[in-house]
Amino acid sequence: DGGITQSPKYLFRKEGQNVTLSCEQNLNHDAMYWYRQDPGQGLRLIYYSQIVNDFQKGDIAEGYSVSREKKESFPLTVTSAQKNPTAFYLCASSIGDRENSPLHFGNGTRLTVT
Amino acid sequence: KNQVEQSPQSLIILEGKNCTLQCNYTVSPFSNLRWYKQDTGRGPVSLTIMTFSENTKSNGRYTATLDADTKQSSLHITASQLSDSASYICVVSGDGRGSQGNLIFGKGTKLSVKP
Repeated sequence: DGGITQSPKYLFRKEGQNVTLSCEQNLNHDAMYWYRQDPGQGLRLIYYSQIVNDFQKGDIAEGYSVSREKKESFPLTVTSAQKNPTAFYLCASSIGDRENSPLHFGNGTRLTVT
Repeated sequence: KNQVEQSPQSLIILEGKNCTLQCNYTVSPFSNLRWYKQDTGRGPVSLTIMTFSENTKSNGRYTATLDADTKQSSLHITASQLSDSASYICVVSGDGRGSQGNLIFGKGTKLSVKP
């Protein structure tokens, strides 16, 4: 079955620690995205990548970093500089970055920082 | 400011009944409008994508309509089932340059279908 796998499903960290969220896809999609979802708010774009070894900042990139060394993988690091890291993080992919390509989402990682 | 507003915030209906969810947007330029279904604790799943030239699109019991003149869309669910209980998210593509880096998400409507 093709799809997007995010791991772990739940993640707990102490304040001041960096943490990396995994996102792997076997859909052979070129474009990948990271979104953050907070209660009562719409999804917000953190970073996106249209091709390997290239990525662009989204609307709320501060305090986050990404890499795209392989087509299948787009890990997100939440650094200690992110002021409010507790949230539900969603990874997505699409065939291309063209506007009519539907996004395919993973099932998210819920990060709690205390 | 580009915005996507959804109403109602939440809705409770009885199994078997129909319902309609609303989405108003002020996004410009407009490329397409999408509806997603998100079950609790899971990622959103695409229901429909409509460009400005399409005014209706169906996916099983889900029918989306689009009025690009009034900048309104609706999602109609027919003969609701318990499995329809979820949040429904309206998303507008506001970037005419061919990129998905400017999708604007509504806050969603939380639908509960009761037996």
